[in-house]
Amino acid sequence: KQEVTQIPAALSVPEGENLVLNCSFTDSAIYNLQWFRQDPGKGLTSLLLIQSSQREQTSGRLNASLDKSSGRSTLYIAASQPGDSATYLCAVDGAEKLTFGTGTRLTIIP
Amino acid sequence: GEEVAQTPKHLVRGEGQKAKLYCAPIKGHSYVFWYQQVLKNEFKFLISFQNENVFDETGMPKERFSAKCLPNSPCSLEIQATKLEDSAVYFCASSPIPLNTGELFFGEGSRLTVL
Repeated sequence: KQEVTQIPAALSVPEGENLVLNCSFTDSAIYNLQWFRQDPGKGLTSLLLIQSSQREQTSGRLNASLDKSSGRSTLYIAASQPGDSATYLCAVDGAEKLTFGTGTRLTIIP
Repeated sequence: GEEVAQTPKHLVRGEGQKAKLYCAPIKGHSYVFWYQQVLKNEFKFLISFQNENVFDETGMPKERFSAKCLPNSPCSLEIQATKLEDSAVYFCASSPIPLNTGELFFGEGSRLTVL
């Protein structure tokens, strides 16, 4: 059974800093990995999708990497802004359904 | 539509009552998924559809939960005889292609509170 873990569970950083969120999964037989953000009381917004054959994806200040063999992904956020404050979730697809991580609650301090 | 639309946003039911939630996937999306978020970040897969056919229902508590996606109608998730532990936010998501090659687009969720 796939298990997805995110570390840390919560993170507070001053505005302008670069930061890294971590995601690990136990079964490396995945098709893809997706990073989402969730704002309080809202749904999930897709940030980046990495196919299993890819090593990284970039979108603006966000960069996600994937190391399938070691079961790890990282989300790098450059020059953080208060608007980046949200919960970030990673999810892996191994059987036509997503298994979600536990999430990292990110707070950017102005 | 251009987004996954879920109704109602909030639903309150007494224990034992029925609850029914609706989801209109993005137009042209053939795949629909239901997820349950019980605690803050614990997402549990319930069921998925390919058009009107059940694709995977391994997450469904079959005794009280049922779901449908009929042509020309919103998809629905129904809970008979709700229990306190059914209190959660239920998310619907859709995708235009199989999940192993594409991303999933989520609605804003329906919050069910069972008293």
